[in-house]
Amino acid sequence: GAGVSQSPSNKVTEKGKDVELRCDPISGHTALYWYRQSLGQGLEFLIYFQGNSAPDKSGLPSDRFSAERTGGSVSTLTIQRTQQEDSAVYLCASSPTGGPVNTEAFFGQGTRLTVV
Amino acid sequence: GQNIDQPTEMTATEGAIVQINCTYQTSGFNGLFWYQQHAGEAPTFLSYNVLDGLEEKGRFSSFLSRSKGYSYLLLKELQMKDSASYLCAVLTPSGGYNKLIFGAGTRLAVHP
Repeated sequence: GAGVSQSPSNKVTEKGKDVELRCDPISGHTALYWYRQSLGQGLEFLIYFQGNSAPDKSGLPSDRFSAERTGGSVSTLTIQRTQQEDSAVYLCASSPTGGPVNTEAFFGQGTRLTVV
Repeated sequence: GQNIDQPTEMTATEGAIVQINCTYQTSGFNGLFWYQQHAGEAPTFLSYNVLDGLEEKGRFSSFLSRSKGYSYLLLKELQMKDSASYLCAVLTPSGGYNKLIFGAGTRLAVHP
């Protein structure tokens, strides 16, 4: 597609349920990021995929959070046993490369998650 | 550790100039980005600096001093549509590649 696509755009879930958030990066982009943004706050780094390398999971806040990237393209962020503090906008971004050159990241519109 | 600091909020008058500062302390540095984010929208790219000095792009300029761990974004001839959050982000090494770490952002309000 022309840009980074995320689905769903909005998700309301009950506390304790599992949710899956999907990201379709720009075709050919090797780097993919997940960020979390709480209301009025900055972007909190969650996880970073680069090609076939092992992902950098250093930002995942707890073991309830996990992410996969299949075939070097689509990524899914899974949150198990959701809590109210998980409510936020989850942003996905992709970039052509993670190497030492200008690696502008292109963002999707995000998934607004509300845990009730 | 990674630390990227920006002022939380700023206000300015339409037509004026505003400078938004960013200081960083990161484990490695491979470039600095500025992004603009309007409320409810995704961040969009504004500028990229990897060498010291000033990069000018229309009404927006960005400056970098690597030795001081400091950058600023300069917005000239402010317009109401410039009211947004401005995010400073640093490229840091990660497993042979780079990852992008963001500051908390600066909310800029432009008033008539």
